[in-house]
Amino acid sequence: EPEVTQTPSHQVTQMGQEVILRCVPISNHLYFYWYRQILGQKVEFLVSFYNNEISEKSEIFDDQFSVERPDGSNFTLKIRSTKLEDSAMYFCASTEVSYEQYFGPGTRLTVT
Amino acid sequence: DQQVKQNSPSLSVQEGRISILNCDYTNSMFDYFLWYKKYPAEGPTFLISISSIKDKNEDGRFTVFLNKSAKHLSLHIVPSQPGDSAVYFCAASGWTGTASKLTFGTGTRLQVTL
Repeated sequence: EPEVTQTPSHQVTQMGQEVILRCVPISNHLYFYWYRQILGQKVEFLVSFYNNEISEKSEIFDDQFSVERPDGSNFTLKIRSTKLEDSAMYFCASTEVSYEQYFGPGTRLTVT
Repeated sequence: DQQVKQNSPSLSVQEGRISILNCDYTNSMFDYFLWYKKYPAEGPTFLISISSIKDKNEDGRFTVFLNKSAKHLSLHIVPSQPGDSAVYFCAASGWTGTASKLTFGTGTRLQVTL
């Protein structure tokens, strides 16, 4: 069964450094998303992406964040200058019909 | 901004019995509701969904009920099995024209005991 994959599974970075989180969505899906879950809190929407552009973004998704689909398979989330409060699990999701989203296993980002 | 609420942080049920997980929402623009199951260190796994035009959807041991007037939905698991022990998230969605984000509740940790 096709699945969403994410790399790396765990990323440790120093405050102020740039990180890129990578995702490979399910191949025939058209809508792509990033969510995050801070430890002990609920899963929060960051951004949605369709037709090579951002469809919607949350207030969390400020100028420090960007997304890109550099080729036909990868979908990336970049954080330019990480802060301690960016430490969280980051989940990529994709869907064909924009309701039932399928999630990857997540990347645990630890900012020290 | 708690548009989706799961008021029970945890639930313990004996194996073979029914598990009922509840969820309330406040935003009338939501038109699709989903339940996800999550194990530690894994991503949410889609379980079952329901459109706002229905009041019940069943898939094997899982049934979701929607009461639009009360803005309430519930997930029933019958019979409960030890492998069902996980955190269950209710999520809601509303079409925004180009994509639909999911708004999640805080989750309910289900423990199925032997």
